[in-house]
Amino acid sequence: KQEVTQIPAALSVPEGENLVLNCSFTDSAIYNLQWFRQDPGKGLTSLLLIQSSQREQTSGRLNASLDKSSGRSTLYIAASQPGDSATYLCAVDLWTGNQFYFGTGTSLTVIP
Amino acid sequence: DTGVSQNPRHKITKRGQNVTFRCDPISEHNRLYWYRQTLGQGPEFLTYFQNEAQLEKSRLLSDRFSAERPKGSFSTLEIQRTEQGDSAMYLCASSLVTPGHNEQFFGPGTRLTVL
Repeated sequence: KQEVTQIPAALSVPEGENLVLNCSFTDSAIYNLQWFRQDPGKGLTSLLLIQSSQREQTSGRLNASLDKSSGRSTLYIAASQPGDSATYLCAVDLWTGNQFYFGTGTSLTVIP
Repeated sequence: DTGVSQNPRHKITKRGQNVTFRCDPISEHNRLYWYRQTLGQGPEFLTYFQNEAQLEKSRLLSDRFSAERPKGSFSTLEIQRTEQGDSAMYLCASSLVTPGHNEQFFGPGTRLTVL
């Protein structure tokens, strides 16, 4: 079974700071890795998808990298803003199956 | 593209009652997933459909849970004889699967409270 871990569980930073969120997984035979954002009591918003053949993806101030051999992904947020405050989740699926496995998320607070 | 929609958004029920939730995926998507999420946890996979076929079910999906996707369009998730432990957010996601690519899009969820 795929285990997905996200560290840290919570993070508080001042506005304008650059930050990195970490995601690790135990089975490197992943098909896709997807980063999401979740606001309290809401559904998940897709941020970035990295296919297994890719190393990174960028969208605006967000950059996600993937290192399958070490079982790690990072989400880099540049010039953080208070509106970035949310829980960030990573999820992976495997070549051998079709379900997605989620981490427990990192709760980010950006202080104005 | 109106996104994934779910109804109802909130459901309060008494223990032992049956409840049914509906999910309308993005129209051209061929895959539909159901997840359950409790406070402070990531979503846990319940089941998924490829078009109208239910292809995988989690062990979390006890015999009190049943899901359908008639004609490969909307899906329903029914919970029979609800228990307090069923209280959670139930999330639906859809995707258009192509070789090497499977990006999920989530609905707003249905929050179930069992009294």
